[in-house]
Amino acid sequence: GDSVTQMEGPVTLSEEAFLTINCTYTATGYPSLFWYVQYPGEGLQLLLKATKADDKGSNKGFEATYRKETTSFHLEKGSVQVSDSAVYFCALRGANFGNEKLTFGTGTRLTIIP
Amino acid sequence: DAGITQSPRYKITETGRQVTLMCHQTWSHSYMFWYRQDLGHGLRLIYYSAAADITDKGEVPDGYVVSRSKTENFPLTLESATRSQTSVYFCASSKDRGRMWAQHFGDGTRLSIL
Repeated sequence: GDSVTQMEGPVTLSEEAFLTINCTYTATGYPSLFWYVQYPGEGLQLLLKATKADDKGSNKGFEATYRKETTSFHLEKGSVQVSDSAVYFCALRGANFGNEKLTFGTGTRLTIIP
Repeated sequence: DAGITQSPRYKITETGRQVTLMCHQTWSHSYMFWYRQDLGHGLRLIYYSAAADITDKGEVPDGYVVSRSKTENFPLTLESATRSQTSVYFCASSKDRGRMWAQHFGDGTRLSIL
């Protein structure tokens, strides 16, 4: 079945550092890929998405490129801020018609220190 | 733009009690979902619904019941709560089926079963 593997956390960075959170997936066909962010005490918010190979999703300075050849969707940001501290989830939605669920990674907790 | 709201935000109950978690969305989205979030597991799908009066099981449906008499509401009931059902529960909705559509989440209900 479908699966998502994220880098283990927690990740602690200084403000203005470069961020990479790795995400790889296993799925048949061409799934859609998502990054969600969860701030303390809140639900998951969609951060960005990509629906086909080589697509780049971007939002709020974050980017991720759908790499079919490496089955990856790594999240990057050039200069992180304290306000980026949150838990980040990589997820996929399968290509098979009728497969409606999102498959999530276990999440990566990011802490940015001033 | 109210979006998707869950109630209650926090609930403490005892083993064997029945408890219902409410979910309401104002977008007229066709699809609605219930997930539970547990440390080390990410989010796992409990049930989902494609439309009013249409529901289907997810990965971990045992011990839960859902209904969807109206498009905007999707309550989740634990008929006889067990300690293993202590978790954070998230409701989500999606405009339509298929991998193109992202899911949008409520703020969650933190449920503790003593």
